[in-house]
Amino acid sequence: DIQMTQSPSSLSASVGDRVTITCRPSQNVKTYLNWYQQKPGKAPKLLIYYVSALQRGVPSRFSGSGSGTLFTLTISSLQPEDFATYYCQQTSDTPRTFGQGTKVEIK
Amino acid sequence: QIQLVQSGAEVKSPGASVKVSCKASGYTFSYYGFSWVRQAPGQGLEWMGWITAYNGSTHYAERFQDRVTMTIDTSTSTTYMELRGLKSDDTAVYFCARSAQFLELGGDFDYWGQGTLVTVSS
Repeated sequence: DIQMTQSPSSLSASVGDRVTITCRPSQNVKTYLNWYQQKPGKAPKLLIYYVSALQRGVPSRFSGSGSGTLFTLTISSLQPEDFATYYCQQTSDTPRTFGQGTKVEIK
Repeated sequence: QIQLVQSGAEVKSPGASVKVSCKASGYTFSYYGFSWVRQAPGQGLEWMGWITAYNGSTHYAERFQDRVTMTIDTSTSTTYMELRGLKSDDTAVYFCARSAQFLELGGDFDYWGQGTLVTVSS
């Protein structure tokens, strides 16, 4: 199985901060790397697919980059509604696997 | 608009089975597949398997291979996930998510159901 390691596991940040979350797959996942946002009690929401493509309706402050075995999700200016848990996911191979999540909290 | 609506919460005894439904609307059903993902309380996301609405082919995660069955009813645009031999650590919220029509396409999970809480308790 492809292990997905996210860092950090949690972070505290202020509104307006630039936030970067890293995802490291244990194998090359090519461009099959997606990012999701999940708020408590809700289903995950797709933010970015194929490394850097922004899902329709997602604000442009979210961006993704990377290749192979190192990927990043960046929030350029953190907004109050962005406090949530973020997961990376690979769909290069089965089983599809997710990172353990990064919880973004208010400082 | 595209919606996935899941069945309601379930409480089951250890050893029992549960069947969760996920009804899709707002798009051409046969053009996509579904993945099922579960989330234990306070934990991360775990992929259980995939089914395509194209022809009902399935692919299950190895750890669920012996206990899970996913099916499709094209007449009602509904997918089902049945999990047998329930144990206390199967207590989780179970989500369906729209996925690629074919596994080889990779893809993403662009629409999700609201989740179904399954509680396994004696």
